[in-house]
Amino acid sequence: AQSVTQLDSQVPVFEEAPVELRCNYSSSVSVYLFWYVQYPNQGLQLLLKYLSGSTLVESINGFEAEFNKSQTSFHLRKPSVHISDTAEYFCAVRKTGNQFYFGTGTSLTVIP
Amino acid sequence: EAGVTQFPSHSVIEKGQTVTLRCDPISGHDNLYWYRRVMGKEIKFLLHFVKESKQDESGMPNNRFLAERTGGTYSTLKVQPAELEDSGVYFCASSLTGQLYFGPGTRLTVT
Repeated sequence: AQSVTQLDSQVPVFEEAPVELRCNYSSSVSVYLFWYVQYPNQGLQLLLKYLSGSTLVESINGFEAEFNKSQTSFHLRKPSVHISDTAEYFCAVRKTGNQFYFGTGTSLTVIP
Repeated sequence: EAGVTQFPSHSVIEKGQTVTLRCDPISGHDNLYWYRRVMGKEIKFLLHFVKESKQDESGMPNNRFLAERTGGTYSTLKVQPAELEDSGVYFCASSLTGQLYFGPGTRLTVT
């Protein structure tokens, strides 16, 4: 069964506009949630993570994600995107045994 | 500190041939993972090493895939014989305490 669902495969957005990339997970146990980003011609990099505590987590470049247990979601948001945010974004869940499950990815294209 | 490195970056082989992918994790990282992404699909888990031992190889698609991690340092993933459906990007990742650090991936094309 799919553990992570990213409904949007491609998201085009104009520069300085807000964006939301959706992620839903399926799990009956506690999970740790992550967003990874892959810039063109690079490997995946950790963007932000939720392990415990505050349900709102932030990255250093203005992205934030909120863990919503009741909706089993971990959507990624940014109030104003830059051209440099163009990349592919992957939502991931880590379950017991250090096993990670990834979504299909969302390709974000920022249009000048 | 050097990151996770993978070699080669690209490989194009014919169906039936053999290919070996290599991953050098971050020094000191006991956990090493192999993942694969087929075009447009999710990044799928292949297997997980803890030091030189296979902790979980439930994601290996079939016995044409063989992974090793001799000495608990670098790892190799051999595909023999390669089939068309093996094409994709193979990612290696390492971790010490749970956060994954990815390599740039090897793009494998089987023709």
